Amino acid sequence: KQEVTQIPAALSVPEGENLVLNCSFTDSAIYNLQWFRQDPGKGLTSLLLIQSSQREQTSGRLNASLDKSSGRSTLYIAASQPGDSATYLCAPFTGGGNKLTFGTGTQLKVEL
Amino acid sequence: SAVISQKPSRDICQRGTSLTIQCQVDSQVTMMFWYRQQPGQSLTLIATANQGSEATYESGFVIDKFPISRPNLTFSTLTVSNMSPEDSSIYLCSVGLAGGSYNEQFFGPGTRLTVL
Repeated sequence: KQEVTQIPAALSVPEGENLVLNCSFTDSAIYNLQWFRQDPGKGLTSLLLIQSSQREQTSGRLNASLDKSSGRSTLYIAASQPGDSATYLCAPFTGGGNKLTFGTGTQLKVEL
Repeated sequence: SAVISQKPSRDICQRGTSLTIQCQVDSQVTMMFWYRQQPGQSLTLIATANQGSEATYESGFVIDKFPISRPNLTFSTLTVSNMSPEDSSIYLCSVGLAGGSYNEQFFGPGTRLTVL
């Protein structure tokens, strides 16, 4: 059974800092991996999808890397802003490539 | 991507009653899923909603408690039956979009359910 852990569980930083959010998963036989953000009381917004054949993916100030063999993914956020404050969730695809298993999330707060 | 809507956005219900949640997508999709997010927890997959056949449930979830309908490729419903306070959660539907060798999932805004 796939288990996903995210470190740190919570993070509070001043505006402008570069951040690293970590995700580890126990079953390296994943298809792809998706990063989401969730604002309080809201649904999930897809940030990045990394295909199993890729090692990283970039979108604006976000960069996600994937190391399947070691069961790890990392989300880098450059020049953080208060609007980045949210919970970030990592979710690898397993079960034939369609099922997402979610991590515990990292709750980020970016302060002015 | 896909635009997904859910109804209701939130509800407060009495124990023992049932609530049906609707999920509507703006395009035809093959894969639709239902998730539950209990307070302070991450998301757990309840079931895959299959068009034209019975839903596929994950371990710990049963059809009698969470009946699902999928009448067409743009719509699905999840019913939470005989509710108890432990069913208080956010329920989210998602759709899977396939592109070449990958699938990507997109989520609706969720339905916040409180059971008294």
